Amino acid sequence: GAGVSQSPSNKVTEKGKDVELRCDPISGHTALYWYRQRLGQGLEFLIYFQGNSAPDKSGLPSDRFSAERTGESVSTLTIQRTQQEDSAVYLCASSSRGLAYEQYFGPGTRLTVT
Amino acid sequence: SQQGEEDPQALSIQEGENATMNCSYKTSINNLQWYRQNSGRGLVHLILIRSNEREKHSGRLRVTLDTSKKSSSLLITASRAADTASYFCATDSTLTFGKGTMLLVSP
Repeated sequence: GAGVSQSPSNKVTEKGKDVELRCDPISGHTALYWYRQRLGQGLEFLIYFQGNSAPDKSGLPSDRFSAERTGESVSTLTIQRTQQEDSAVYLCASSSRGLAYEQYFGPGTRLTVT
Repeated sequence: SQQGEEDPQALSIQEGENATMNCSYKTSINNLQWYRQNSGRGLVHLILIRSNEREKHSGRLRVTLDTSKKSSSLLITASRAADTASYFCATDSTLTFGKGTMLLVSP
């Protein structure tokens, strides 16, 4: 079956512009996660959606970052007024229920802010 | 605080040797998971061990969990060049992955 997909795979943007990253989770997975990975670093948790519960936004680094999820399907991560330090790979993952279950990761979106 | 810190940061071995990497965490957990990340296949789940388990095997992988020490180890036996990757642990109590252990297996 199809795995987690993300688009675009690469995005180059100018400082100050807004970007929107998309994640399509595995069908039927109720939990969806966004992470950021800077070069040579571990994964930094950003936001977690679980079913119809209020999302856990505790990892969002600033109010320039926001994410939405439509039901139990597509999610978009929006970064407003991008800064150079936002350059990273943004990874999306989904799991069948929640934190007790393994996460399936997408290939990521490589964001470069010039 | 960092949850899921792996050590060593880097490990270089020859094919056929065993590789052991460790993970420490800070809070109580229900499960701990190990993931592998390489350029070819992205980030892939390897194995999940629950807090009431002490050891789990999957192929050439052996994971142990010591909840009293809040630590886990991942052993890869008879390593292959294809095992070259970064290995991360993560717990269900927080969604944080450490910097990982970078394993290099030389032919």
